[in-house]
Amino acid sequence: QSALTQPRSVSGSPGQSVTISCTGTSSDIGAYNYVSWNQQHPGKAPKLMIYDVSKRPSGVPDRFSGSKSGNTASLTISGLQAEDEADYYCSSYTGSYTWVFGGGTKLTVL
Amino acid sequence: EVRLVESGGGLVQPGGSLRLSCAASEFTFSSYWMTWVRQAPGKGLEWVATIKQDGSENYYVDSVKGRFTISRDNPKNSLFLQMNSLRVEDTAVYYCARGLFYTSYGGWGYWGQGTLVTVSS
Repeated sequence: QSALTQPRSVSGSPGQSVTISCTGTSSDIGAYNYVSWNQQHPGKAPKLMIYDVSKRPSGVPDRFSGSKSGNTASLTISGLQAEDEADYYCSSYTGSYTWVFGGGTKLTVL
Repeated sequence: EVRLVESGGGLVQPGGSLRLSCAASEFTFSSYWMTWVRQAPGKGLEWVATIKQDGSENYYVDSVKGRFTISRDNPKNSLFLQMNSLRVEDTAVYYCARGLFYTSYGGWGYWGQGTLVTVSS
């Protein structure tokens, strides 16, 4: 149950696009299409932005998109806005009803 | 609107016990898997435990196996986490979470506000 690997920080200017990567193994991300991405603002509960690799819950802007290739999942945010500045966490199902999160990425909007 | 409200956090000494509760409302509680996720101060999220709809099957992260027990009371729409033999490293905000669907493998769409557990002497 080792944590997934995310960059500690990324940044971008308003209107630009950024991509956050999440690297796992053939036992988690590579094995299942059950990757999710959560946004967390300081002092707040996480909010689900992407589930099942690339699906958006109702109410999440289509500026947020997810994808997966091999053992690496990615979250892309296009048309960056100030309110997108937050911590982002990926998670993956790892089989036998267990899950693992990434270490989190701090997104700064310049 | 789905509502999850945690309670029961507080300060406890190493080796002590604490029982967290999560009151669920505005959905059919007995139809969903339920999960606890924690976050140590300044750290990332960690999946802790999941329980199936009827409570017959429970799953835990290795670091809490044998010390924590997840349970539920469906008639009372409540989820619990009994934490025994607490360690300093169990200090965290504990969140109750529910998936978007009855059996969600791919993410948790609903979260409570969290309850802080501090393990310290």
